[in-house]
Amino acid sequence: EVQLVESGGGLVQPGRSLRLSCTGSGFTFGDYAMSWVRQAPGKGLEWVGFIRNQAYGGTTEYAASVKGRFTISRDDSKSIAYLQMNSLKSEDTAVYYCTRDLAGITVAGFLDYWGQGTLVTVSS
Amino acid sequence: DIQMTQSPSSLSASVGDRVTITCRASQSISTYLNWYQQKPGKAPKLLISTASSLQSGVPSRFSGSGSGTDFTLTISSLQPEDFATYYCQQSYSTPRYTFGQGTKLEIK
Repeated sequence: EVQLVESGGGLVQPGRSLRLSCTGSGFTFGDYAMSWVRQAPGKGLEWVGFIRNQAYGGTTEYAASVKGRFTISRDDSKSIAYLQMNSLKSEDTAVYYCTRDLAGITVAGFLDYWGQGTLVTVSS
Repeated sequence: DIQMTQSPSSLSASVGDRVTITCRASQSISTYLNWYQQKPGKAPKLLISTASSLQSGVPSRFSGSGSGTDFTLTISSLQPEDFATYYCQQSYSTPRYTFGQGTKLEIK
């Protein structure tokens, strides 16, 4: 059974940093790209960023709202993807979901498995 | 960025009703359109990929259609477990995905 489990969320002050982790199981983690998606309280879904699998260079892409502040990385030996969030702002408050992304396997990507999400609250 | 607009934003319906949700893209996206269902407090779940491909395990009362800029999600006969929020997502600009604002389906 495919599972994604996020961790690392919590309350953080504006301007500070936080790192989220996403641990995958039930599939060959290194074969897949991963995307992060967030959802502010009571709002819709917003794509945050993406990391390709190593076969495609493990490169990353980011939404304009987080580019330069957030960094995605992966450790395939541990089946973990990370979201490093720096210079956090109040508008980054959201539930952050890790997703398995079929980009690179299918012609266009889609998000076939999601973690349960982890809440990040940015407040003083 | 490609903008996605869903209509309606909310919808009241009864068990057994046929329901259609529309999603419109700001430019042609071929059939690179996916649908997700989200229940309160839960993660979204993929229902349909590439406009009309039903995911394994998703009931056949769900169907998707469309191409270009206009897409629909249809539930042929609403069941109690279908009351949720539905999101469309374009993957034409993979991986720079954008989602519609969501359609909340409520019990009448």
